[in-house]
Amino acid sequence: AQKITQTQPGMFVQEKEAVTLDCTYDTSDPSYGLFWYKQPSSGEMIFLIYQGSYDQQNATEGRYSLNFQKARKSANLVISASQLGDSAMYFCAMREGWRDTNAGKSTFGDGTTLTVKP
Amino acid sequence: DAGVIQSPRHEVTEMGQEVTLRCKPISGHDYLFWYRQTMMRGLELLIYFNNNVPIDDSGMPEDRFSAKMPNASFSTLKIQPSEPRDSAVYFCASSPRFQGSSYEQYFGPGTRLTVT
Repeated sequence: AQKITQTQPGMFVQEKEAVTLDCTYDTSDPSYGLFWYKQPSSGEMIFLIYQGSYDQQNATEGRYSLNFQKARKSANLVISASQLGDSAMYFCAMREGWRDTNAGKSTFGDGTTLTVKP
Repeated sequence: DAGVIQSPRHEVTEMGQEVTLRCKPISGHDYLFWYRQTMMRGLELLIYFNNNVPIDDSGMPEDRFSAKMPNASFSTLKIQPSEPRDSAVYFCASSPRFQGSSYEQYFGPGTRLTVT
């Protein structure tokens, strides 16, 4: 079974509007971290935002926020006031069991390609 | 900090040749990861190390692939012999251990491997 599911292969958004990129995850470990990365056409992987499984509040980083719904096992990325430079592939990822010595294994979703229209 | 350094950035080789990809993680990071990215299979975790020790190599596709981390500042991913289906972008990433805050992975720029 997929551990990270991103159901939207591609998304379009008008410049200056907000957009939500979906991510659901599957784990039985109570300790995990959820991450979003951006990969522009140049190819580098850029870290955007992190949410820990025990964090009480949703993470925010500038125009990025993470809508964390633990019971639903979802960690959607919200980008407010989209800019043309936001056009890229976005990956959701999870790291499990960070409290164990073998912690650290990460799983990435298939990604969502976001296109911002002027 | 210079970030994660990978070399070479591009590699073109012929089928059957040995290929060695290199990675220098960020100083002080405990974890090192090797990923492969292709259009067909997306981003796959090949292997990861914790304090220079391989923890999980279940993602390594076959015996032709091997990875080593002889010290905290250097790792290699070797493919021998290479095949056209190995063509991909190979990323190295490192991260600190969890210490009460985020422990995101920092990715290198990747090595684009083409096997003809």
